Amino acid sequence: EAGVAQSPRYKIIEKRQSVAFWCNPISGHATLYWYQQILGQGPKLLIQFQNNGVVDDSQLPKDRFSAERLKGVDSTLKIQPAKLEDSAVYLCASSSRGFGTGQDNEQFFGPGTRLTVL
Amino acid sequence: DAKTTQPTSMDCAEGRAANLPCNHSTISGNEYVYWYRQIHSQGPQYIIHGLKNNETNEMASLIITEDRKSSTLILPHATLRDTAVYYCIVRRTGNQFYFGTGTSLTVIP
Repeated sequence: EAGVAQSPRYKIIEKRQSVAFWCNPISGHATLYWYQQILGQGPKLLIQFQNNGVVDDSQLPKDRFSAERLKGVDSTLKIQPAKLEDSAVYLCASSSRGFGTGQDNEQFFGPGTRLTVL
Repeated sequence: DAKTTQPTSMDCAEGRAANLPCNHSTISGNEYVYWYRQIHSQGPQYIIHGLKNNETNEMASLIITEDRKSSTLILPHATLRDTAVYYCIVRRTGNQFYFGTGTSLTVIP
């Protein structure tokens, strides 16, 4: 099966500019996640969608970051305006289910988008 | 939230077993332990997960202590391609993953 697709793979912008990232999850996966991974650190969950509703966005800096998942499939993550500290890899992941303690809740990750803010 | 503690780095000789420990002393009874690895410039890759019992798949074995406060990931015959950062994660019931800083494993020829 096709994996999680992300674009672009690399993006360089200047501070105060805007940027958007796109994610296409595995077909049929109900849950989609966006993570931020700063160099040398583990991924940090930014937002979790269940279909097209937000389940958890407690770590999303809402003054500058926004995300949507229209129609419960593709998703976009936007930063406006960008700051130097936003330089990171932005990872998208999907899973077949979100809630519950079932076995099939493995998260599948995309290759990420590397953002550099100058 | 259950947090995990892992050694920052480890070395392993090629062909030998790699044993990667993880402490998760605040884990709740219904929280799973997941292991992922991340090879440079790629997204994290699933390895294995478990709740109470030991688990084995084609990639690795997972040993969970009886009190569930710690676990060990075992790569039985490490190869150079196993060089990566390994993350031990306690999964919340909402399926949120909280990654730590992981263990950087270097397999030495």
